[in-house]
Amino acid sequence: DAMVIQNPRYQVTQFGKPVTLSCSQTLNHNVMYWYQQKSSQAPKLLFHYYDKDFNNEADTPDNFQSRRPNTSFCFLDIRSPGLGDAAMYLCATSRDLPGGRIAKNIQYFGAGTRLSVL
Amino acid sequence: RKEVEQDPGPFNVPEGATVAFNCTYSNSASQSFFWYRQDCRKEPKLLMSVYSSGNEDGRFTAQLNRASQYISLLIRDSKLSDSATYLCVVNEDSSYKLIFGSGTRLLVRP
Repeated sequence: DAMVIQNPRYQVTQFGKPVTLSCSQTLNHNVMYWYQQKSSQAPKLLFHYYDKDFNNEADTPDNFQSRRPNTSFCFLDIRSPGLGDAAMYLCATSRDLPGGRIAKNIQYFGAGTRLSVL
Repeated sequence: RKEVEQDPGPFNVPEGATVAFNCTYSNSASQSFFWYRQDCRKEPKLLMSVYSSGNEDGRFTAQLNRASQYISLLIRDSKLSDSATYLCVVNEDSSYKLIFGSGTRLLVRP
């Protein structure tokens, strides 16, 4: 059974039209991540939430925003998609061990949302 | 210089062959190391963690050389189903951030 679920799997939007991608998890993990992956490139971290604390990567454009209303859900909002934002967007989760130790930061990925911008 | 570097391949090998991938990382403070597998147009999936003493999981063996800052993955008796991209991944324990290599593509032919 899928533990990190991303919807939709495929999303087509128009240039400049806001779009929201969603991610939910049944693992009860406290850390959630959003990555962007373009063809033949490594996944690039956009931001992550540690519990409710939002952590933005320095090179993530302002066009990308995120919301985490509760432990299970996290959203990626692209305010004005450009052609260069067409990519696979991956959500991942990880958890802390008791006592604050990181579980070797093993991350579990959703199947991704492939975004096309017309 | 990239933080995690891998030979992009592709490595094209016959079934049953043994193939090895190497990966180098630039940050000596890196503490956790992994190999992920990614099939075409799918999400990365954890293949194995890499421990200082080296570790084996069936046909897969991972090695870590901290002095030289490189990680290797050995696949024995390659199967057609091993065809995928293998991502080398490192993490500093003080950070939640995983640093991915661009991946090495493996093609196993009949």
